Order: sequence, then structure tokens, then C-alpha cells
Amino acid sequence: EPEVTQTPSHQVTQMGQEVILRCVPISNHLYFYWYRQILGQKVEFLVSFYNNEISEKSEIFDDQFSVERPDGSNFTLKIRSTKLEDSAMYFCASSQGLAGGTDTQYFGPGTRLTVL
Amino acid sequence: AQSVSQHNHHVILSEAASLELGCNYSYGGTVNLFWYVQYPGQHLQLLLKYFSGDPLVKGIKGFEAEFIKSKFSFNLRKPSVQWSDTAEYFCAVNAYSSASKIIFGSGTRLSIRP
Repeated sequence: EPEVTQTPSHQVTQMGQEVILRCVPISNHLYFYWYRQILGQKVEFLVSFYNNEISEKSEIFDDQFSVERPDGSNFTLKIRSTKLEDSAMYFCASSQGLAGGTDTQYFGPGTRLTVL
Repeated sequence: AQSVSQHNHHVILSEAASLELGCNYSYGGTVNLFWYVQYPGQHLQLLLKYFSGDPLVKGIKGFEAEFIKSKFSFNLRKPSVQWSDTAEYFCAVNAYSSASKIIFGSGTRLSIRP
């Protein structure tokens, strides 16, 4: 069964450094998403992406964040200058974009980002 | 405001016990409802979803959930739990439209005593 994959599984970085988290969505999916989960808190929506544009973003997704689909298979989340509070598990998801309620988002295994 | 409330943070049961995890949501308009499960060290997996039709939804591994619109609830049930059901369970909601963001509850950690 096709799966969403993410790399790396764990990223450690120094505060102020740039990080890029990578995702390979399921191949026939058209919509891509990033969510994050700070330890002990809820999974929170960050951004959705379709047709090379951001469809929706949350308040969390400020100018420090950007997303890109650099080629036909990868979907990336870049954090320009990491802060301590960016430490979290970041989940990528993808969906086909089916009509109405039939659309289902499939999640990757996550990248644990630790900012020191 | 859109939100999902899960009543229990941590539930501990013995094997073969019955399970019910509560979930209430606040969301304007027609919704899709989900239960996701996260087994230790693994990623979020869809357990079941409701988007229309029969409000009693059957999912994988013997789980089911009932959508009660008047109560804004979507409780998860299993008649007899197994040790392998030990996991974190997340109730979630999104708008009844294509590719809308998912709002998650805070999760319920389920521990099963062998």
C-alpha cells in the first residue's frame, strides 16, 4: 500500500539555523499538508498546498515558514531561522482531493525536530 | 471557534474490557469526523471516518464510532480490547469539503493491562 514518507526521522539543529523537512506524498495525490505536534500538545494544522500554491495556512505559519514542491515527488517545509519553540514532531500528509467527504488525508511517520 | 474535546487523557483497561472514548466537537456547518490511532513509535493511521449516511461507522480492528448530531459527539467504542490496542487515539474533524484542514483533539492515551 502506498505511504507518505518523511526524512529525516529526527533533526537536531541550533537556534537560528535553517532546516528543511522533506516529504514524499503518495504519488497520485494532489493536495499536501503539514501539521505539527509539540510534545504533550495537540496535532495542529500548519499549511495546505495545491497546484503549487498555498491553499490555506494557520496563524502558526508565519514568515519563518515556507513550503515548496521542488520536483514531481518531494514536498518540503523550510523553517528559516529556528526557535526553541519550533521543537516538535512535524507530520506531512497528502490526499487526492476527492469531492465532499470522501477525501482522506494520509499521514507520514513524522520528523522530530529538536532545536537547541 | 472550531474545536474538538476528548474527555479522557489516559484510560487504563484490562484485556477483554469494553472501551468507550468520548469526543465532542464544535464546528459550524457539515463535517467529516475521524478517529486516528498512533501506535507507539508509529505514524498516525486512520481508524475510521464518518462523512454521511449511517451514523454508526465501523472501522478497522473491531472499532466503531457513533455520530450523534444533536450532541455533537463521535464516541469511539470497542466491545473487547486487546493488549495490542495500546496506543494514542485522536478524534478529529474537518469541513465537508475537499482537502480542508483537520482539527484534532488532544488525544487519549489507552493502556491495556495484559
